[in-house]
Amino acid sequence: KNQVEQSPQSLIILEGKNCTLQCNYTVSPFSNLRWYKQDTGRGPVSLTIMTFSENTKSNGRYTATLDADTKQSSLHITASQLSDSASYICVVSLGSQGNLIFGKGTKLSVKP
Amino acid sequence: DTEVTQTPKHLVMGMTNKKSLKCEQHMGHRAMYWYKQKAKKPPELMFVYSYEKLSINESVPSRFSPECPNSSLLNLHLHALQPEDSALYLCASSPTPGSGYTFGSGTRLTVV
Repeated sequence: KNQVEQSPQSLIILEGKNCTLQCNYTVSPFSNLRWYKQDTGRGPVSLTIMTFSENTKSNGRYTATLDADTKQSSLHITASQLSDSASYICVVSLGSQGNLIFGKGTKLSVKP
Repeated sequence: DTEVTQTPKHLVMGMTNKKSLKCEQHMGHRAMYWYKQKAKKPPELMFVYSYEKLSINESVPSRFSPECPNSSLLNLHLHALQPEDSALYLCASSPTPGSGYTFGSGTRLTVV
């Protein structure tokens, strides 16, 4: 069964601290993996997209890693800001048609 | 223009009303999507239009009727909805099916 599992479900950190979010997937055939940030009641905004051959990709304070052998990805956020409070969703694209398999997200709260 | 624009942002409608959600993109994307997202859940695919033709209907009830008048526009016509249809409705587009999704900000629909 094609699944994307994210951990933790929720996370609270202090402003300025770093954090790492995890994503494990069992999706075949794999096309690419994306991380999205979604504010409550708003549409998801793409942070990174990685294909099978890419191990790491950065977008400002966000760095995503991908291990295609273990089928794991992580999203590292450095020097967190209050505006980073949101849900972070790991999404794996399935095969050539690109159907998206969504994780349930990690809800991040950054406190002052 | 690198955005997907959805209108209205909020909509409250009665169960006997007829309303439409609109989605527009001017990125030349040839695939457009409707997703439904309930609170604290990942988005669920409803419809996919590929080159202005409906290619996927995920067994959505007939009270939801999609329309793609041209390559830039996607509508979702609503009729005789139920309170459980209240959700965030997201539109997305991609250059071709399965590649590089861009999501809109969503329409928050409340059925009373």
